[in-house]
Amino acid sequence: EDKVVQSPLSLVVHEGDTVTLNCSYEVTNFRSLLWYKQEKKAPTFLFMLTSSGIEKKSGRLSSILDKKELFSILNITATQTGDSAVYLCAVEEKDSSNTGKLIFGQGTTLQVKP
Amino acid sequence: EPEVTQTPSHQVTQMGQEVILRCVPISNHLYFYWYRQILGQKVEFLVSFYNNEISEKSEIFDDQFSVERPDGSNFTLKIRSTKLEDSAMYFCASSEGIGEYFLGQPQHFGDGTRLSIL
Repeated sequence: EDKVVQSPLSLVVHEGDTVTLNCSYEVTNFRSLLWYKQEKKAPTFLFMLTSSGIEKKSGRLSSILDKKELFSILNITATQTGDSAVYLCAVEEKDSSNTGKLIFGQGTTLQVKP
Repeated sequence: EPEVTQTPSHQVTQMGQEVILRCVPISNHLYFYWYRQILGQKVEFLVSFYNNEISEKSEIFDDQFSVERPDGSNFTLKIRSTKLEDSAMYFCASSEGIGEYFLGQPQHFGDGTRLSIL
């Protein structure tokens, strides 16, 4: 059975700390791995990773994929209270019709204290 | 920035009734999806839709469920004979593509409809 596992499930840090969120997967027909931030409602797209070893950066956030070891990490440096959210990892699986479905992990709840 | 919009934000329905959840995908997107998230559980894929037909559906998406694109903008999920276990947050998502070639663009999500079955 395809699965995506995130760790830790929850994390409490103080502003200014650096955090690393982990995502491991076992998915057949892998196409890409995506990270989303979910605050109150819609998961908001952060990164899409398709190739191993190429870091993607956006401000204080960065992410990298290892397709050999089947995992990805999301780093957040100099955390701020606005980073408090649930971070979702999802693996896109290519289906027989060539569209993609997302298989989600259970999420990591990050709380950043002032 | 273009966004996926869903209505209503919250729907309360008696068990056994039919509900229709509505979504307006991003206008130039061609691929549409429904997901659901039962409280405290993972987000789960329900169905993908392209070119006016279902591309793939999960085991959850049985005969109780149907999807439709009734016009050029709306994408609906119908749930017939609702059950208590259908209570969940339902998310619509869409992604780009050009014709038959799926570009692998990220899926963008709406704010969801919280469905409560009494």
